[in-house]
Amino acid sequence: AQSVAQPEDQVNVAEGNPLTVKCTYSVSGNPYLFWYVQYPNRGLQFLLKYITGDNLVKGSYGFEAEFNKSQTSFHLKKPSALVSDSALYFCAVRDMRQAGTALIFGKGTTLSVSS
Amino acid sequence: EPEVTQTPSHQVTQMGQEVILRCVPISNHLYFYWYRQILGQKVEFLVSFYNNEISEKSEIFDDQFSVERPDGSNFTLKIRSTKLEDSAMYFCASSSSVLSSTDTQYFGPGTRLTVL
Repeated sequence: AQSVAQPEDQVNVAEGNPLTVKCTYSVSGNPYLFWYVQYPNRGLQFLLKYITGDNLVKGSYGFEAEFNKSQTSFHLKKPSALVSDSALYFCAVRDMRQAGTALIFGKGTTLSVSS
Repeated sequence: EPEVTQTPSHQVTQMGQEVILRCVPISNHLYFYWYRQILGQKVEFLVSFYNNEISEKSEIFDDQFSVERPDGSNFTLKIRSTKLEDSAMYFCASSSSVLSSTDTQYFGPGTRLTVL
C-alpha cells in the first residue's frame, strides 16, 4: 500500500530554534516525496521534493528535508524557526499504483512558532 | 510568479443542485488535477487530466463528477447532483510536464463548497 504518515498533529517551537516536522512513508518502488505548506485561507504551496540523488533536499524559505531510505522517512527541517513559519505542513508521496499522477497526502502537522 | 486561480472562493448550494467549480491553471502547464479536503480530514486526490482526457481518477470520482477544459485557459469540475457529504474544500492544481510522476503540482487557493 502507498501511504504517508505524519505522527504529530502539532509541533511547537520557539523562534530561533531548529524545527523538525516528521514524515514517514510506505511505497512499493522508488518514493517521490513532497512537502507543502498551507497558510490560512491560502492554497497548498510547494516547499520541496525528493525524486532521486542527494538525500538532503533544499527548498523554499530556508526549509530542507532529509530522505532516509532505511527509516522510510522524509523529515522537514529548518535550522532557525521564524514566527511567520507558523502554518499547516503536509507531506505527500506520489501514488504509483496507476498512472503516477496522484499525490497521497498525510493528515498534516500544525507548526506553531512562538516569539 | 504565475499562480493557479480558482473561482468562486466559496459556493453555497442546496442538496441535489449542480455546481461547477472553475480553475485557471498556470499558463503552458499540461496536467491538471482536482483534490478535495473535507473539514478536518486529509487532502484527497480526485482526478487528473491531460490532453483533453482523464488520466487517472480515484474511487471518489464517481459518475456524479465530471471535468472539462472548455477553452484554452479554464479547467472545471462539475458535480451533477450535490450531496451533503460533498461539502469540502476543492483544490485545483497543475503541473508543467509529461513526466507527471516526478513533476511538481502547483495548487490554487481552493473553493469551499457548502451543501445545505
